Amino acid sequence: AQSVTQLDSQVPVFEEAPVELRCNYSSSVSVYLFWYVQYPNQGLQLLLKYLSGSTLVKGINGFEAEFNKSQTSFHLRKPSVHISDTAEYFCAVSDFTGGGNKLTFGTGTQLKVEL
Amino acid sequence: KAGVTQTPRYLIKTRGQQVTLSCSPISGHRSVSWYQQTPGQGLQFLFEYFSETQRNKGNFPGRFSGRQFSNSRSEMNVSTLELGDSALYLCASSLRRNNEQFFGPGTRLTVL
Repeated sequence: AQSVTQLDSQVPVFEEAPVELRCNYSSSVSVYLFWYVQYPNQGLQLLLKYLSGSTLVKGINGFEAEFNKSQTSFHLRKPSVHISDTAEYFCAVSDFTGGGNKLTFGTGTQLKVEL
Repeated sequence: KAGVTQTPRYLIKTRGQQVTLSCSPISGHRSVSWYQQTPGQGLQFLFEYFSETQRNKGNFPGRFSGRQFSNSRSEMNVSTLELGDSALYLCASSLRRNNEQFFGPGTRLTVL
């Protein structure tokens, strides 16, 4: 079984400051990792994904994440946030070994960007 | 290319009723998955359909069911609604299995 832990339920940050949203996962097999963003009253939008290859993954809107297998982490970062980045962010894992598209999500981190 | 569409966007039902939600995947996508999102339980996988067959199922009671049609459109049904079924139901589609998923805007179900 897989699990995802997002340690921070809320992260307040000032505009133009850097931010890191933490994600740790647990799995007995190799995994694929994702970060999704959810704006109020909307569905989930894929920010970035790690399937294989380079451990530093760049996504949309200036976000990037680094896969660390030894620490089982996949933290999301942005060097300078904008007020429009205020949203909830979800880390998710899928092993794909059993086939199929079952995503296991973390509990989410609410990013609040303040002026 | 149009994204994943879900209908209706909002729904209000009373306990004991049943409800059917619809999902149209991105054109060409053959896999459709459903998720339930609640404040208490977060995002939970319901089931996945591919080629009109359920391929994977989450830990939900039998009141939750679904199906997929030959054009890949999918429906999910919840019978004998309970207050705890109030949630945002999200549909996601992908080109094939083992592939990244694209989510629709969701259907917000309120059970009174």
